[in-house]
Amino acid sequence: QSALTQPPSASGSPGQSVTISCTGTNSDLGGYNYVSWYQQSPGKAPKLIIYEVTARPSGVPDRFSGSRSGNTASLTVSGLQAEDEGYYYCLSFAGHNNFGVFGTGTKVTVL
Amino acid sequence: QVTLRESGPALVKRTQTLTLTCTFSGFSLNTAGMCVSWIRQPPGKPLEWLALIDWAEDTYYRPSLKTRLSISKDTSQNQVVLSLTNMDPADTATYFCARYNWNDVTFDYWGQGTLVSVSS
Repeated sequence: QSALTQPPSASGSPGQSVTISCTGTNSDLGGYNYVSWYQQSPGKAPKLIIYEVTARPSGVPDRFSGSRSGNTASLTVSGLQAEDEGYYYCLSFAGHNNFGVFGTGTKVTVL
Repeated sequence: QVTLRESGPALVKRTQTLTLTCTFSGFSLNTAGMCVSWIRQPPGKPLEWLALIDWAEDTYYRPSLKTRLSISKDTSQNQVVLSLTNMDPADTATYFCARYNWNDVTFDYWGQGTLVSVSS
């Protein structure tokens, strides 16, 4: 099972928006409505910020939003803040033989 | 408050078996919908799902590693154990345990991870 494809990097100035794409196949991202997004700082555990394509866990600001169209999901971070810097990974359910196909990761830099 | 913590050796030799323990609190692995999973991240590479055990003790493995992996639980101790046989330097990675919540179909809480290096 190959990893989902994400751009290696994305950047924006404080207050701007950045959108990260995540592309899969019909066997994973395109076949299920179960896409999650994680934020990870170096040396830290990933933190869940979006699940089921658009849902936000309690405590996650509404600056983070998710969407999906076909085999591609997207994460948008609006009103960028310095604390948003880090790596972002997408995740898709891919059936009982593969509970999680992760994306290749995107490094977000706040300029 | 849900917490998970990984423990195990930081260094193993090639061909040895790696055994990692995940100790968790704040939820019960006897509750329907609750699962614990292991995920790893080789240095500079993406996250990779390895194995999952659910509340009914059903187990699921990454197909490419299925012959080398074993996952089990000790509900009384709130622990989940992962074994990976025949370790190779390519298995060097940070190993995370995470709670998988079937209600939201995602890994919602993660441990801090433990770095395991394999020497040749």
